[in-house]
Amino acid sequence: AQSVSQHNHHVILSEAASLELGCNYSYGGTVNLFWYVQYPGQHLQLLLKYFSGDPLVKGIKGFEAEFIKSKFSFNLRKPSVQWSDTAEYFCAVNAPYGGATNKLIFGTGTLLAVQP
Amino acid sequence: EAEVAQSPRYKITEKSQAVAFWCDPISGHATLYWYRQILGQGPELLVQFQDESVVDDSQLPKDRFSAERLKGVDSTLKIQPAELGDSAMYLCASSFGQGPYEQYFGPGTRLTVT
Repeated sequence: AQSVSQHNHHVILSEAASLELGCNYSYGGTVNLFWYVQYPGQHLQLLLKYFSGDPLVKGIKGFEAEFIKSKFSFNLRKPSVQWSDTAEYFCAVNAPYGGATNKLIFGTGTLLAVQP
Repeated sequence: EAEVAQSPRYKITEKSQAVAFWCDPISGHATLYWYRQILGQGPELLVQFQDESVVDDSQLPKDRFSAERLKGVDSTLKIQPAELGDSAMYLCASSFGQGPYEQYFGPGTRLTVT
């Protein structure tokens, strides 16, 4: 069965520090990859997605992620975090397996706290 | 901007009682999903609809959970009877179709079973 691993459960950074959140998935076939963010008191929203093409994808609010197929990874990066980036971040994989489903498989999430 | 609507936002119920959640997807979205998110974990799909048909309910505990989307628009998820382990956030999402489309999430219903 497909699975998604997020290595960091809690990350604390100071403003202006660089961010990298790890995400690895297990599936040998074609995948679509996503990063979702949940700000305090808000609903899940899409940060960025990868379906095909350039493995370096750019999302909202200065975030980017790189798909490395050989490593089954899709790490999220931001060069300089802000206090407003405090949120929980979820990596997700969509791996259709011969049927019509568009099922998303989520990692356990990384809670990021940015200190001013 | 169109949003997925869910109600209620919070629900406290006693175990063995019945509880129901409602979801109204973004207009025009044919695919609707119900996810359950237990504290400290990522969302897990319970059931997926394409229009009014169930596409995937493999993770739905069918002895106590049921879901319907009778007219292919809004949807109801029911639990009867509720158990302590059902305490979680129940999220509804919708997408334009079953292909590589973004899923838009609602605010969720926080269920507490006492």
